[in-house]
Amino acid sequence: EPEVTQTPSHQVTQMGQEVILRCVPISNHLYFYWYRQILGQKVEFLVSFYNNEISEKSEIFDDQFSVERPDGSNFTLKIRSTKLEDSAMYFCASDGGSPLHFGNGTRLTVT
Amino acid sequence: KNEVEQSPQNLTAQEGEFITINCSYSVGISALHWLQQHPGGGIVSLFMLSSGKKKHGRLIATINIQEKHSSLHITASHPRDSAVYICAVLKTSYDKVIFGPGTSLSVIP
Repeated sequence: EPEVTQTPSHQVTQMGQEVILRCVPISNHLYFYWYRQILGQKVEFLVSFYNNEISEKSEIFDDQFSVERPDGSNFTLKIRSTKLEDSAMYFCASDGGSPLHFGNGTRLTVT
Repeated sequence: KNEVEQSPQNLTAQEGEFITINCSYSVGISALHWLQQHPGGGIVSLFMLSSGKKKHGRLIATINIQEKHSSLHITASHPRDSAVYICAVLKTSYDKVIFGPGTSLSVIP
């Protein structure tokens, strides 16, 4: 069964550095999402992406965040200048009109 | 008020018990997902519902669109069912999935 893959599985970065989290969604899916989960808290919506543009974003998704689908397969989340509070598990998901398919997540640790 | 609520927040059951987890929401939706998150953090989609009822093995999910309510039932619960169960709704705009706070289930042998 096709799956969503995310890399890296764990990223450690220093405060103020830029990070890029990568996702390869399922190829024939049309909707792509990024979510995050701070340790011990519920999953939060960050952004949805459809037809090569942002469809909706949450208040968390400020100017420090951006998403791209640079080559038609990868779907990336960039955090320009990381803060301590960005430490979380970041999940990518894709949707093709069927149950959401989640990647295994990237654990981001900002020190 | 949260747009998606779940109850109970935590649940401990003896192996073999019948378990019900409830979800209520306040927004217009096109679909509702039940998700399972294991301690390692990975999320698996169990069901996507837009009406009626679905069954997969020992799991049953129902939704009442008029009442804006869904339930997830686990029959003959087993310790391997121990996980966080999350209700998530896809808003009618199709743009946004809103997650409930999750129900932490622990099944004791």
